[in-house]
Amino acid sequence: GAVVSQHPSRVICKSGTSVKIECRSLDFQATTMFWYRQFPKQSLMLMATSNEGSKATYEQGVEKDKFLINHASLTLSTLTVTSAHPEDSSFYICSARDSDLDNYGYTFGSGTRLTVV
Amino acid sequence: AQTVTQSQPEMSVQEAETVTLSCTYDTSESDYYLFWYKQPPSRQMILVIRQEAYKQQNATENRFSVNFQKAAKSFSLKISDSQLGDAAMYFCAYRSAWNTGNQFYFGTGTSLTVIP
Repeated sequence: GAVVSQHPSRVICKSGTSVKIECRSLDFQATTMFWYRQFPKQSLMLMATSNEGSKATYEQGVEKDKFLINHASLTLSTLTVTSAHPEDSSFYICSARDSDLDNYGYTFGSGTRLTVV
Repeated sequence: AQTVTQSQPEMSVQEAETVTLSCTYDTSESDYYLFWYKQPPSRQMILVIRQEAYKQQNATENRFSVNFQKAAKSFSLKISDSQLGDAAMYFCAYRSAWNTGNQFYFGTGTSLTVIP
């Protein structure tokens, strides 16, 4: 089945630095990828929709300049948390849709736990 | 915007027994998909079962089945013969069928504990 690889699984960074999270579709092409954020014991909240070759669409309240999304190829989307602060600490999950499958072809990555100290 | 509500933050079930998790949603659309996802401690989102809104027949996947009531906008998940491995966070999710690039709307989740 479709596999989405998300890397790193865990990262600790110092406040003020930037962190890049990768989301790769391993065996399929993904024209659309989604980035979610999940706080402890809470639901997944959509941050942005990433479309290959075009600018990402951000949800209301999500800072575009803080959460940079790049979807340069059909198999890779990256989320960069710039000038990270402790309040950015969270669990980030990506999801990708297999363009060749029917509407059920959505797969989630295994997530990245970001801790900003 | 679509909303998904899970009114049970926590549920528990005895091993081998049956448990039902509730989910309601609000939408003005007529064509959509509904999903139940399982998130174990590893945090990996795992698709449990899905339902197309245009289908009247309730979806079934082995021990997992749904009770889909379109008019009531209700989509409950029944887990039969509960196993220890079923312990996880369960999320109900909605997605529009109008185009293929749509996001999921998730409920707040139900934490299921399976008692040995």
